Amino acid sequence: QKEVEQNSGPLSVPEGAIASLNCTYSDRVSQSFFWYRQYSGKSPELIMSIYSNGDKEDGRFTAQLNKASQYVSLLIRDSQPSDSATYLCAVTPGGSGNTGKLIFGQGTTLQVKP
Amino acid sequence: ETGVTQTPRHLVMGMTNKKSLKCEQHLGHNAMYWYKQSAKKPLELMFVYNFKEQTENNSVPSRFSPECPNSSHLFLHLHTLQPEDSALYLCASSQGSTVSGNTIYFGEGSWLTVV
Repeated sequence: QKEVEQNSGPLSVPEGAIASLNCTYSDRVSQSFFWYRQYSGKSPELIMSIYSNGDKEDGRFTAQLNKASQYVSLLIRDSQPSDSATYLCAVTPGGSGNTGKLIFGQGTTLQVKP
Repeated sequence: ETGVTQTPRHLVMGMTNKKSLKCEQHLGHNAMYWYKQSAKKPLELMFVYNFKEQTENNSVPSRFSPECPNSSHLFLHLHTLQPEDSALYLCASSQGSTVSGNTIYFGEGSWLTVV
């Protein structure tokens, strides 16, 4: 069973702090990794995508990928109350060809307190 | 405005009803998807269509019947559903394979309640 695992939280951080969200995956040949943000009652929206080992930065967000450890993380710097949401980790399983399907984790709920 | 539009946004149906969910994407994408999101569970892929052809059926019960008349439209026909089918149904689209760097974009979802 190919799985993507996340701590469901909630993860609570004070405003201005760094929030660190973690995700592990079981399919060693996964190639594409995504972080989606989902506000309560809304659909997921893409925050970051990462395909190679290392760090990728976009504004206050940094995605980190370590394929050897099968680990992907999302760092949110200077956390704001508006960042409070559920963050979904998603992985393209190996051999998915052209379907583009994603396997999702159950999400980590982040609470940023003023 | 996400470029992927779903209707209706909310639907309440009885177990003997027949209803349909509609999805339309305005992004020029070639692939469309149905996902199901239930409380406390990860997003589950249901169906994948590439260039109108179904390429994935993730062991979905036959009471869910997808239809893709063209690359821009996707339907999910619902018949004799069970209360446990109550969930958020999300339509999504992508240009092609995510391995090639293409991203999946979601619609706002259709909240389904089966009574």
